[in-house]
Amino acid sequence: KAGVTQTPRYLIKTRGQQVTLSCSPISGHRSVSWYQQTPGQGLQFLFEYFSETQRNKGNFPGRFSGRQFSNSRSEMNVSTLELGDSALYLCASSAVPSREKLFFGSGTQLSVL
Amino acid sequence: GENVEQHPSTLSVQEGDSAVIKCTYSDSASNYFPWYKQELGKRPQLIIDIRSNVGEKKDQRIAVTLNKTAKHFSLHITETQPEDSAVYFCAAGAGGNQFYFGTGTSLTVIP
Repeated sequence: KAGVTQTPRYLIKTRGQQVTLSCSPISGHRSVSWYQQTPGQGLQFLFEYFSETQRNKGNFPGRFSGRQFSNSRSEMNVSTLELGDSALYLCASSAVPSREKLFFGSGTQLSVL
Repeated sequence: GENVEQHPSTLSVQEGDSAVIKCTYSDSASNYFPWYKQELGKRPQLIIDIRSNVGEKKDQRIAVTLNKTAKHFSLHITETQPEDSAVYFCAAGAGGNQFYFGTGTSLTVIP
């Protein structure tokens, strides 16, 4: 069974640009959540999707948005990039959104210059 | 919202010794507490978890304890091995898959 797949693996953008990250969950998993990982801050919850609906949203500005498609694949978009958005963005999937074990992808390393 | 604090931020132990990592949480509604291990350059992976109706759980050399009254939980690794070297994250969750993570503990096991 293939694991959680995130693309692209690395991204370099400049301030003001926007970026879209993609996540394909494990086959059969319908819950996808996104986390931002930065040194010293650990993992911070961005949002969670289940059956194409956003269930929870973390404390991030509206520049961060996401969506989920009918095949459970999810995308995350960040508009008007700021230097502080540089981070590893991790996607995680689980079968259902009920305090389940999370299976993480390898992440997308975003650098904003 | 929930706030999870994790200590220590770095920990070095001799091979064969035990390692203990402690976390506290603030929201009494939190009822699920997973621990993730992240090796350098790799994705976080669940190593053990505990739910609020259990006080202790063991899996071979790894154990987790939970004190709901004091709102703290701990990870215990016995007979440490070099391959245990990694960053360990505790987390707390109350609903769905929204988790609040600690800031991580970098564990180094010295051969």
